[in-house]
Amino acid sequence: SQTIHQWPATLVQPVGSPLSLECTVEGTSNPNLYWYRQAAGRGLQLLFYSVGIGQISSEVPQNLSASRPQDRQFILSSKKLLLSDSGFYLCAWSGGFVQETQYFGPGTRLLVL
Amino acid sequence: QQQVKQSPQSLIVQKGGISIINCAYENTAFDYFPWYQQFPGKGPALLIAIRPDVSEKKEGRFTISFNKSAKQFSLHIMDSQPGDSATYFCAARFSWGKLQFGAGTQVVVTP
Repeated sequence: SQTIHQWPATLVQPVGSPLSLECTVEGTSNPNLYWYRQAAGRGLQLLFYSVGIGQISSEVPQNLSASRPQDRQFILSSKKLLLSDSGFYLCAWSGGFVQETQYFGPGTRLLVL
Repeated sequence: QQQVKQSPQSLIVQKGGISIINCAYENTAFDYFPWYQQFPGKGPALLIAIRPDVSEKKEGRFTISFNKSAKQFSLHIMDSQPGDSATYFCAARFSWGKLQFGAGTQVVVTP
């Protein structure tokens, strides 16, 4: 069966510091991968998606970036965090086929102070 | 631009009652409509989903009703239980996989 991991689970970072969040998927190959952000009590905002290694599409212009160095690894980064980057970051995967839906990881809670 | 509109924002239902959440969409390119359940501090989990060629799908106490002509779909939670207290998101999917989410409905089931 497929599983998705995210780490760290919780992170507290000062404004202006760098960020690296990691997501890995097991039990599948060539998944579509997604990064979402969820503000407290709010909906899900798609940040980036990837349909293959090195292929990244950005949905929202911001100071975040994403990379996919390996087939089942998706990384969210920032060079300098802003207060507004605080939130709950969710990684999701879906199969590369039309019939699949998205499955979410456990999330990373980021607090920027 | 909100492509999927979800209502209500929150609802309170007594144990044993029916919870109803409604969603409406505009884009006819959507081809798949999942519902997700999210507990505090957890990632959303797929609850139930429907395709536009089906008018209703039932899984246990959860039922999706789909009205293609009206471009509306709804989630019914029958015999609501306190363990159903969570935030529910409807979504609509483009054929290549991108999901457009509703804003979410916080459901509270009172004992």
